[in-house]
Amino acid sequence: ETGVTQTPRHLVMGMTNKKSLKCEQHLGHNAMYWYKQSAKKPLELMFVYSLEERVENNSVPSRFSPECPNSSHLFLHLHTLQPEDSALYLCASSQAPDSTGELFFGEGSRLTVL
Amino acid sequence: GQNIDQPTEMTATEGAIVQINCTYQTSGFNGLFWYQQHAGEAPTFLSYNVLDGLEEKGRFSSFLSRSKGYSYLLLKELQMKDSASYLCAVINSNYQLIWGAGTKLIIKP
Repeated sequence: ETGVTQTPRHLVMGMTNKKSLKCEQHLGHNAMYWYKQSAKKPLELMFVYSLEERVENNSVPSRFSPECPNSSHLFLHLHTLQPEDSALYLCASSQAPDSTGELFFGEGSRLTVL
Repeated sequence: GQNIDQPTEMTATEGAIVQINCTYQTSGFNGLFWYQQHAGEAPTFLSYNVLDGLEEKGRFSSFLSRSKGYSYLLLKELQMKDSASYLCAVINSNYQLIWGAGTKLIIKP
């Protein structure tokens, strides 16, 4: 496999459920990101990991919990979400976390919170 | 605040030329990206500009004027497959990437 792979592609969950989104990159990159994409809104950066350490957390509610066990894998654990959290969640990777390099995105996980 | 402005939607005809504008107000500037995103797919890199001028890459060109806080993406010889959203993003002085909301381009036969 190549590139950035996200699973699941679609997820429907209730507000009391616990679920996780998974991201895997096969590019040998050192930085990984979670973005939230809502219709007609700019991409919102949620978390940045560089060499498995979290380097940025943009005031994201604690109901979103990231995990980066190694440089190739990134998870987003979801718990007691709200309907306004329904969106496309995009994972991305890059060679370095300083925003000057090209981002490689996965196809996203479309989340619907009922 | 920091802001990136792009038109929400544009329509163009197959075979024609279209210019998608992006204006930005950010705290400093360290480069500008354009990404393409087809519906239901990942955004993919199109271009990067850090110096003023035009960068050409096949049918696509990107222009930057730092003094005007302005960029455009020029698409020539439009094809149906160019129907997509085009995202403009600017790197500010803190090396944060500031994104526009994207321009949905509709190509008609």
